[in-house]
Amino acid sequence: QKEVEQDPGPLSVPEGAIVSLNCTYSNSAFQYFMWYRQYSRKGPELLMYTYSSGNKEDGRFTAQVDKSSKYISLFIRDSQPSDSATYLCAINAGGTSYGKLTFGQGTILTVHP
Amino acid sequence: DVKVTQSSRYLVKRTGEKVFLECVQDMDHENMFWYRQDPGLGLRLIYFSYDVKMKEKGDIPEGYSVSREKKERFSLILESASTNQTSMYLCASSPNVLPYEQYFGPGTRLTVT
Repeated sequence: QKEVEQDPGPLSVPEGAIVSLNCTYSNSAFQYFMWYRQYSRKGPELLMYTYSSGNKEDGRFTAQVDKSSKYISLFIRDSQPSDSATYLCAINAGGTSYGKLTFGQGTILTVHP
Repeated sequence: DVKVTQSSRYLVKRTGEKVFLECVQDMDHENMFWYRQDPGLGLRLIYFSYDVKMKEKGDIPEGYSVSREKKERFSLILESASTNQTSMYLCASSPNVLPYEQYFGPGTRLTVT
């Protein structure tokens, strides 16, 4: 079983839709949960991070962590064509892990006008 | 702005050649990472370094080595390139204060023929 599972999609939605992206993980020691966004032919960039369970909101983006279910989500409200990218969840164990991240496979999202 | 640069965007090498991929960051980050990214597999960690001359194996270190002689520079070495090492290679750096906030370079697309 992979440590982090993510549906690769692809996901295609109309502009203005609410998008839900999800990952599951297997190791309960994970403490930090990140979402990275990767545009075509670019390196990933950090979009949001959360520590432990709960929600975090940043503009149109909401990250949600449910540690009891080992499930993390990213919601995008009022999606825009500029949101078209690959979204990668990433998880870190904290402590002395030196920022070592375990990534999901990435979900390819297309928002069409 | 944090900048992570990689020596080449595209590289073509022959089987058995020794290959050097260079990465330089300009933000005095302690941690540096090398990943490879393949369709359906996401980003997989090859090696990381948390200090000059220090290195740790990631999830897939076989066939690779690394060198970090200066804080800003982290090199990935393929001792004898093989066709299964054809991939996109991404370098990243992060500060100790936020080790999971990784800044990525644009990537090097390596083809081994």
